[in-house]
Amino acid sequence: AQKITQTQPGMFVQEKEAVTLDCTYDTSDQSYGLFWYKQPSSGEMIFLIYQGSYDEQNATEGRYSLNFQKARKSANLVISASQLGDSAMYFCAIRSGSARQLTFGSGTQLTVLP
Amino acid sequence: DAMVIQNPRYQVTQFGKPVTLSCSQTLNHNVMYWYQQKSSQAPKLLFHYYDKDFNNEADTPDNFQSRRPNTSFCFLDIRSPGLGDAAMYLCATSRDFSLFDRAIGYTFGSGTRLTVV
Repeated sequence: AQKITQTQPGMFVQEKEAVTLDCTYDTSDQSYGLFWYKQPSSGEMIFLIYQGSYDEQNATEGRYSLNFQKARKSANLVISASQLGDSAMYFCAIRSGSARQLTFGSGTQLTVLP
Repeated sequence: DAMVIQNPRYQVTQFGKPVTLSCSQTLNHNVMYWYQQKSSQAPKLLFHYYDKDFNNEADTPDNFQSRRPNTSFCFLDIRSPGLGDAAMYLCATSRDFSLFDRAIGYTFGSGTRLTVV
């Protein structure tokens, strides 16, 4: 079984500052992939960044980076230079082993303050 | 642009009246998923199709069924909607990819928000 835990129901950040959203995962598989998605109030899931279990370097995509600590089973998302448009729900998700589907955490509601 | 389209965007149905939600894709992905997302909760997988093979999650109620007549289309049927079925329903697709293939992932539709009255 695979499980994602996001312990921050809500986070606030000042515009232009960086913010870290926490994610820990649990899986017994050696091979897995970790995903972060952004969900605005309109509902669509927007893919942000991916980290594979065998990737030795932390993933980066523009203002998004992933702080991957395999021994601690954590995959925190770092958003640099926050913008008002970053206000949304953020989900961490995992796909592991032979499973095809994603399993999501409970999400973190990020609010960027002007 | 290749994408996943869900119709309708908003659906209001009466308690107990069958309703069908649709999902279409132009990505030619062989796997299609239906997730249920209740307010302020994580999306929960209901079932998925791998090509024509239907895979039901163990805790998906019998009230929920699905059809995939071809690669492009997938339908979610709720036979007798209850108030507890009000939620956002998300359709997603993927190619059956290796975990090491970072170029390919999951593509989500915009969702159908279902209200039961």
